[in-house]
Amino acid sequence: DTAVSQTPKYLVTQMGNDKSIKCEQNLGHDTMYWYKQDSKKFLKIMFSYNNKELIINETVPNRFSPKSPDKAHLNLHINSLELGDSAVYFCASTLAKNTEAFFGQGTRLTVV
Amino acid sequence: QQQVKQSPQSLIVQKGGISIINCAYENTAFDYFPWYQQFPGKGPALLIAIRPDVSEKKEGRFTISFNKSAKQFSLHIMDSQPGDSATYFCAAGVRTGANNLFFGTGTRLTVIP
Repeated sequence: DTAVSQTPKYLVTQMGNDKSIKCEQNLGHDTMYWYKQDSKKFLKIMFSYNNKELIINETVPNRFSPKSPDKAHLNLHINSLELGDSAVYFCASTLAKNTEAFFGQGTRLTVV
Repeated sequence: QQQVKQSPQSLIVQKGGISIINCAYENTAFDYFPWYQQFPGKGPALLIAIRPDVSEKKEGRFTISFNKSAKQFSLHIMDSQPGDSATYFCAAGVRTGANNLFFGTGTRLTVIP
């Protein structure tokens, strides 16, 4: 059973389009995250979402919007995609008070 | 501002050798220091973690050394194997609150047979 699953695994799209990446965790965790990993492998947190409280990273453009229908899902919607958005996006989750993060396999987004 | 600084960026070690990766942090509120291992095409996975009340933690061939006064911690991989070739990330966080982890910039380890 996959603990944290993301779809799609690969996403190629044109500039200006709007796209979504879905994430689901079956671990019963309370907190979910989105991370961006750039071409240099640097992992940077974008958002964390805990019990309906969204914590926004101020450096993330408002074209990125997370949506959480329930605590097992945290989807990432991106509007007006730009070339610089090309990266691998990872979803992760943690159990409250336990900081071991479980990561999904990543979504490689390529904007052309 | 980079909350956790990691070095080296890349490391090549011969099979059987010792791999050492170093990290430093500034925020004294951090009380959780994990290391993650990432293979190509996969997400990072927790390898080993330490809390600041101990100076060393060992799990198999992997050891974390922690120096609270210097605000530094390091990962030692003994008897390095080709299967250890991966990217390693140190991280730091606070166990309460939002549970945000701040990651280092990663070290690409290559173990040569």
